[in-house]
Amino acid sequence: SAVISQKPSRDICQRGTSLTIQCQVDSQVTMMFWYRQQPGQSLTLIATANQGSEATYESGFVIDKFPISRPNLTFSTLTVSNMSPEDSSIYLCSVELGTGGYEQYFGPGTRLTVT
Amino acid sequence: AQRVTQPEKLLSVFKGAPVELKCNYSYSGSPELFWYVQYSRQRLQLLLRHISRESIKGFTADLNKGETSFHLKKPFAQEEDSAMYYCALKGAQKLVFGQGTRLTINP
Repeated sequence: SAVISQKPSRDICQRGTSLTIQCQVDSQVTMMFWYRQQPGQSLTLIATANQGSEATYESGFVIDKFPISRPNLTFSTLTVSNMSPEDSSIYLCSVELGTGGYEQYFGPGTRLTVT
Repeated sequence: AQRVTQPEKLLSVFKGAPVELKCNYSYSGSPELFWYVQYSRQRLQLLLRHISRESIKGFTADLNKGETSFHLKKPFAQEEDSAMYYCALKGAQKLVFGQGTRLTINP
């Protein structure tokens, strides 16, 4: 299994500002994922971040709005840029472990409120 | 395209009654299917996956390729089963989630 921590756990931000969310894993992983969960909705994949390469974004998400860093095998950041109230969501970091089969583990999430 | 449908947003049953959470999927290839659970104030966690064919906390789920379903079942619900349940499908690359079903077990 993997232990994943995220910082901050929650934040309230003003529109037009940016917030960087950190994700730390207790083991080295190849693939890390960032999800968004808007109020009352399911999880939507924002992007996949592999160490040493550019993140791959899903349809509807762009690098200018959600820049991602992946400097090593245990850490990643997601920035939510130029925020608007529509960005109010829970943002989750996730990792995939392939030992013994595919399993995906999730962080506790970052609850973002944009005013 | 990958799609997962959970038709019930809310499901309420009495303790000791059987419970079934429905999940249907759409995927042209050979899918891997999962059930994730999120208890109150806890993070999302894997409950079970179809390739394991195991029972976790009394829950089972059988992949029915003919009906493209992966329903989650438990014969006797317990109060601690109250949680949010998500069905998920892994296709070629990514994990796609259904909308989730909030299960409430009444005493």
